[in-house]
Amino acid sequence: QKEVEQDPGPLSVPEGAIVSLNCTYSNSAFQYFMWYRQYSRKGPELLMYTYSSGNKEDGRFTAQVDKSSKYISLFIRDSQPSDSATYLCAMSARQAGTALIFGKGTTLSVSS
Amino acid sequence: DAGVIQSPRHEVTEMGQEVTLRCKPISGHDYLFWYRQTMMRGLELLIYFNNNVPIDDSGMPEDRFSAKMPNASFSTLKIQPSEPRDSAVYFCASSLEAELTDTQYFGPGTRLTVL
Repeated sequence: QKEVEQDPGPLSVPEGAIVSLNCTYSNSAFQYFMWYRQYSRKGPELLMYTYSSGNKEDGRFTAQVDKSSKYISLFIRDSQPSDSATYLCAMSARQAGTALIFGKGTTLSVSS
Repeated sequence: DAGVIQSPRHEVTEMGQEVTLRCKPISGHDYLFWYRQTMMRGLELLIYFNNNVPIDDSGMPEDRFSAKMPNASFSTLKIQPSEPRDSAVYFCASSLEAELTDTQYFGPGTRLTVL
């Protein structure tokens, strides 16, 4: 079992839809959870950052962490064509000598 | 700041040739990471440095891969000899020690094709 599992999609939705992206993980030491967004032919960029369990909201984006289920989600409200990208979840235990573990990414396409 | 700079942006080479990828991290960043991204395997960490010292190279696939960071503003990833299965996009990223390794700033990547 990989440490981080993410459905690669692709996921296609109409403009204005609510999008739910998810990752599951197996390492209970993970405490820091991130979502990176990657546009085509670009490098990933940090979108959301959450510590431990709970929700975090930033505009149309909400990140949710459920440590008891080892499950994280990213919700996008009122999706726009500009949201079309690949979304990668990433996790960290923040222990010395360890680095981020990324999911494979989910490709999202929002049509106008 | 210009962000993380990588060169070349595209590289096409023949099997058996040596390939050198270059990276300039963001000034002041203490960590530098090399990743490889493919459709099949996603984003894989190859190696990372802290203050120019390699910390973890367990992701380097084989002895054909080597990475150096001679100073705080430059790193190379070398593949010798290259093979078709090395075809991928290679990303360099950097981050500040204060933020540990969570907020990483990625370069635009080098798209490598080995024929």
